[in-house]
Amino acid sequence: QQKVQQSPESLIVPEGGMASLNCTSSDRNVDYFWWYRQHSGKSPKMLMSIFSNGEKEEGRFTVHLNKASLHTSLHIRDSQPSDSALYLCAASKNTGNYKYVFGAGTRLKVIA
Amino acid sequence: EAAVTQSPRNKVAVTGGKVTLSCNQTNNHNNMYWYRQDTGHGLRLIHYSYGAGSTEKGDIPDGYKASRPSQENFSLILELATPSQTSVYFCASGGPGNNNQAPLFGEGTRLSVL
Repeated sequence: QQKVQQSPESLIVPEGGMASLNCTSSDRNVDYFWWYRQHSGKSPKMLMSIFSNGEKEEGRFTVHLNKASLHTSLHIRDSQPSDSALYLCAASKNTGNYKYVFGAGTRLKVIA
Repeated sequence: EAAVTQSPRNKVAVTGGKVTLSCNQTNNHNNMYWYRQDTGHGLRLIHYSYGAGSTEKGDIPDGYKASRPSQENFSLILELATPSQTSVYFCASGGPGNNNQAPLFGEGTRLSVL
């Protein structure tokens, strides 16, 4: 069983709409979370990271973190067709000697 | 510019043959990782390394070996390739311990084992 669970598995939103993606770690040792975006046939690219409780916003993207529940969420407002991709969540601990574990991802499709 | 380079980009191997996937990074990162990606499984960690000479087992190490001869190079070795190892393989460098830089991925190697 993967230690990083993502939901939903897939998501369809209309252009201009809001997409909300969730990620939870079952490993209480982690304290860093990362969101990656992977377009079809390409390699994953880091989108946002969050290490502290609360919210972080970068343009149309907002990420939340609740360390107590080890839950993070990514929200994309004003979704564009170019946002269609696989979104991967990763968790790690704040130390060099720790593996870096990904969830299975959420496949987002934005329809015009 | 930070970079992770994988070779080959595509590989066709025969069952029972030996396959070596190579990864080179110019970022001076201590940590390097090998993942495989299959539909429905996201990225699964095979082996990782904290520095030259070190290798650690990830979540799915069976059937794979790894080698880190230098800071820059990290190889994944399939001694006896099987069709179940057909997948896309990604190498990455970075992460916590590297000034919290997000791991940077190579472009991937598509491996088919026939």
